[in-house]
Amino acid sequence: EVQLVESGGGLVQPGGSLRLSCATSGFTFSSYNMNWVRQAPGKGLEWVSYISSSSGTIYYADSVKGRFTISRDNAKNSLYLQMNSLTDKDTAVYYCARDSGDSGSDDYWGQGTLVTVSS
Amino acid sequence: SYELTQPLSVSVALGQTARITCGGNNIRSQSVHWYQQKPGQAPVLVIYRNNNRPSGIPERFSGSNSGNTATLTISRAQAEDEADYYCQVWDSNSAHVVFGGGTKLTVL
Repeated sequence: EVQLVESGGGLVQPGGSLRLSCATSGFTFSSYNMNWVRQAPGKGLEWVSYISSSSGTIYYADSVKGRFTISRDNAKNSLYLQMNSLTDKDTAVYYCARDSGDSGSDDYWGQGTLVTVSS
Repeated sequence: SYELTQPLSVSVALGQTARITCGGNNIRSQSVHWYQQKPGQAPVLVIYRNNNRPSGIPERFSGSNSGNTATLTISRAQAEDEADYYCQVWDSNSAHVVFGGGTKLTVL
């Protein structure tokens, strides 16, 4: 069974940092590209970042570029998101999602982890 | 950057057909994916590459894509179909994943 489990969310002050993790199981993690997607309270889905299976290709949304860093450890079957210089606009549930490899659709999602940026 | 436009809300009577649209410039040239999200839950892929259903998704879910509009069609709508629905594409020009704003489907 494919599983993605996010962790690392919590309350952080504006300007602070947080590192999210996504532990995966049930599939060959090293063969799949991955995404982070977030959802602010009561709002829609917003793509955050993409990383290819080998980490050779990385993309960021304009809203996080220069502040967030996506990475992965294929030996640990894990995906990460380092978030720096956080603002209240970064408050959201953060999901990791597996790229199916078919036209960029995400076929499996984690349950999400809540990041709250507030003083 | 590429933009996708969805209606904020759509209502459908129980057992009838719901259609949720996703507008974008020449969207027919894109592969459009659709996600269903129920309150407090993660999104679920219900249609990929315009008109393909993942395993486990009921046959009443279908998709189409033509001109500047992609459409998610839910035939014989059930109470459990009440949810938010999002369309999504990969914009190769900007190297960004793009989501529509989402549509709240109400089953009456």
